[in-house]
Amino acid sequence: ETGVTQTPRHLVMGMTNKKSLKCEQHLGHNAMYWYKQSAKKPLELMFVYNFKEQTENNSVPSRFSPECPNSSHLFLHLHTLQPEDSALYLCASSRQYGQGHTEAFFGQGTRLTVV
Amino acid sequence: KQEVTQIPAALSVPEGENLVLNCSFTDSAIYNLQWFRQDPGKGLTSLLLIQSSQREQTSGRLNASLDKSSGRSTLYIAASQPGDSATYLCAVRQHQGGKLIFGQGTELSVKP
Repeated sequence: ETGVTQTPRHLVMGMTNKKSLKCEQHLGHNAMYWYKQSAKKPLELMFVYNFKEQTENNSVPSRFSPECPNSSHLFLHLHTLQPEDSALYLCASSRQYGQGHTEAFFGQGTRLTVV
Repeated sequence: KQEVTQIPAALSVPEGENLVLNCSFTDSAIYNLQWFRQDPGKGLTSLLLIQSSQREQTSGRLNASLDKSSGRSTLYIAASQPGDSATYLCAVRQHQGGKLIFGQGTELSVKP
């Protein structure tokens, strides 16, 4: 266990559905991240929240909408996705964003399939 | 723009061998470098974190080195075991913005 928990582990959704991914960390960290991992590609950073404020949006399409109600919880709301959005979505946390010498901890990921 | 490259992309070795995984990065302005392990369909498990001021870190059978000036890191695995089979990812944390930039990984298979 890394201290970062993601739910659900697997999700199949239609292109017209609306769903949400959830991430929770029990490490007392202040920064949380969403990454996308597609087959044969490096992990891509999507969003960063630092002390509940969004500090990075890596040109992510608006059909992905993040929410960070507090430093322990992070959501990714999904709507009208495309099949190419099928991927493993990973959540991570660290003590603070922009504080260089910090270590990142990852959750187990949500395997998303868009049909 | 920081680019992280891992060589080889895949590696298959017999059990008991010592092996080296390579990671290179183009911009030496980094805070630290982190090695992760990823089992199929799972999340990332942090193995070793090397700060930019350090040369190496050790944990059990794993030893990671960092040569920041040449933009290289190696992960040495001693006496490999089938349970070491996984994808190994390296990532550098940039000075600018603090982003973690990943390589594509090395897929390791250790045969009994």
